[in-house]
Amino acid sequence: QKEVEQNSGPLSVPEGAIASLNCTYSDRVSQSFFWYRQYSGKSPELIMSIYSNGDKEDGRFTAQLNKASQYVSLLIRDSQPSDSATYLCAVPPAGGTSYGKLTFGQGTILTVHP
Amino acid sequence: AAGVIQSPRHLIKEKRETATLKCYPIPRHDTVYWYQQGPGQDPQFLISFYEKMQSDKGSIPDRFSAQQFSDYHSELNMSSLELGDSALYFCASSLPRDNSYEQYFGPGTRLTVT
Repeated sequence: QKEVEQNSGPLSVPEGAIASLNCTYSDRVSQSFFWYRQYSGKSPELIMSIYSNGDKEDGRFTAQLNKASQYVSLLIRDSQPSDSATYLCAVPPAGGTSYGKLTFGQGTILTVHP
Repeated sequence: AAGVIQSPRHLIKEKRETATLKCYPIPRHDTVYWYQQGPGQDPQFLISFYEKMQSDKGSIPDRFSAQQFSDYHSELNMSSLELGDSALYFCASSLPRDNSYEQYFGPGTRLTVT
């Protein structure tokens, strides 16, 4: 089982809809969780960080974390065509000597159609 | 705001040649990470440095080596290049030990081995 898994894509939503992206992780003691957006051929861009159970909102983005279920999600409200990209869930190790190297999920390709 | 700088942005090499990729982290960032991303794959961690010392090592081939210099920039040296080394290489940097492990990625170097 991959350490970080994302819901299989691709995901297609109409403009203005809510896009829901999901991620599960295997390390029960993980403390930090990140969502990156990556346009084709470009570098990953950090869009959300979440560390505590519950919701964290930033503009049209909401991250949700449930440590008991080892589950983190990203909601994009009022989706725009410019949101079309690959979304990567990333988790650093919980401790030890692995200073923050990120393990990524396989990514979910989101397409927002007009 | 200043971002991570990588050079060169594109590099074409032949098999068995060597290549050197450079990374300049965001000012005051002391930790540098290298990732490799093949076509259609998620980024894979190669190696990281904290305060000029190697802090973690991932799936980096023995043909590759890296170091971090006194000004915190880092170089990834790749020798005996193989066709399979063709990929995007990203450098990321993070703030001093604030336990958030938020990593900011550079634009990447696209390496093509022919």
